[in-house]
Amino acid sequence: DQQVKQNSPSLSVQEGRISILNCDYTNSMFDYFLWYKKYPAEGPTFLISISSIKDKNEDGRFTVFLNKSAKHLSLHIVPSQPGDSAVYFCAARWRGNQFYFGTGTSLTVIP
Amino acid sequence: EAQVTQNPRYLITVTGKKLTVTCSQNMNHEYMSWYRQDPGLGLRQIYYSMNVEVTDKGDVPEGYKVSRKEKRNFPLILESPSPNQTSLYFCASSFGTNSPLHFGNGTRLTVT
Repeated sequence: DQQVKQNSPSLSVQEGRISILNCDYTNSMFDYFLWYKKYPAEGPTFLISISSIKDKNEDGRFTVFLNKSAKHLSLHIVPSQPGDSAVYFCAARWRGNQFYFGTGTSLTVIP
Repeated sequence: EAQVTQNPRYLITVTGKKLTVTCSQNMNHEYMSWYRQDPGLGLRQIYYSMNVEVTDKGDVPEGYKVSRKEKRNFPLILESPSPNQTSLYFCASSFGTNSPLHFGNGTRLTVT
């Protein structure tokens, strides 16, 4: 059973606009959430994270929002750039040592 | 350069022939883990290790073994591979579970 879900397999956005990637989870015991970015033929690379005690974390163009009551996580990229085109995975930590990943959303930023 | 190195990148084998995928990190990380990526299922954790000689099962450990005899190495062993283990495998490491994971570039395994 998928505990972390990314319901949009793909997303296309114009360069300069906002990209919003969404992630839902089912386990209320997840305490740490992360976003990773993946290019073809490479491993995922860390983008941004948020603790369950916060509701927002910003790093440059990237902002992650956490809504615990809705069990929902989102990643905002503003402004979107062509180099942001990649697959994005959300991940959640459980019991301090196990990580669960979503199925990924493929973002295409159109120049 | 700080990195996680997996070998081989590609492997085609036959059912039942034992194989090992190696993983090595040069960042003195304590935590290491293995994942498999399958279409529609995302990345699923196979095994993880909190430190040398400490390993534990993840979400999908059946058919796999691991060992952590040294801090830098965390090999994944398939004693008797089967076709349902055909997948893309990633090794990852971090200083601890409060730190982001650093991933290797993946091993594409095909079992016929």
